[in-house]
Amino acid sequence: ELKVEQNPLFLSMQEGKNYTIYCNYSTTSDRLYWYRQDPGKSLESLFVLLSNGAVKQEGRLMASLDTKARLSTLHITAAVHDLSATYFCAVDNNFGNEKLTFGTGTRLTIIP
Amino acid sequence: EPEVTQTPSHQVTQMGQEVILRCVPISNHLYFYWYRQILGQKVEFLVSFYNNEISEKSEIFDDQFSVERPDGSNFTLKIRSTKLEDSAMYFCATRRGGLSYGYTFGSGTRLTVV
Repeated sequence: ELKVEQNPLFLSMQEGKNYTIYCNYSTTSDRLYWYRQDPGKSLESLFVLLSNGAVKQEGRLMASLDTKARLSTLHITAAVHDLSATYFCAVDNNFGNEKLTFGTGTRLTIIP
Repeated sequence: EPEVTQTPSHQVTQMGQEVILRCVPISNHLYFYWYRQILGQKVEFLVSFYNNEISEKSEIFDDQFSVERPDGSNFTLKIRSTKLEDSAMYFCATRRGGLSYGYTFGSGTRLTVV
């Protein structure tokens, strides 16, 4: 059974600081996704990482994937308040019937 | 940008009642999914649907649940006899197919069973 773990679960950081969220998963997969969720809202796709070594950046967020280590990171640079949300990583099992297995989520709060 | 549309946005139902949640997928998407999220918890897979049949279902998706695509456009999730623990946000997701395409999630239906 594929397991996906994120840490930290909760992260409170000051505006302007940098931080990294980690996502580990338990079985071989080449496809990893990052989503953002605001309270009571849907899942907004941030990044789709499709191969080992993939790195994608959008604004103050950068995601990377190391399939050998089964690790993805979401790096936040110079955080601003509107990045406050819950961030989920999810792994696609890519063995026939694709489906997403989600991590536990990281609730990020940016403090002015 | 194309969207996955879900209705209703919020439904309150009494325990034991049947509910139907509806989803309109993006038109050229081939794979359809239902996920649920209990308040404050992670998103859990319920069922996947491709070529008019269930591809895979989770342990959560027991005999009380069913899915269908009755008219070739809407994709529905039916819960026959709701329980209190069915209270959650239900998300429909669709995927075009092919390795480079991701999953698009709908806005969700908040189901409250009282």
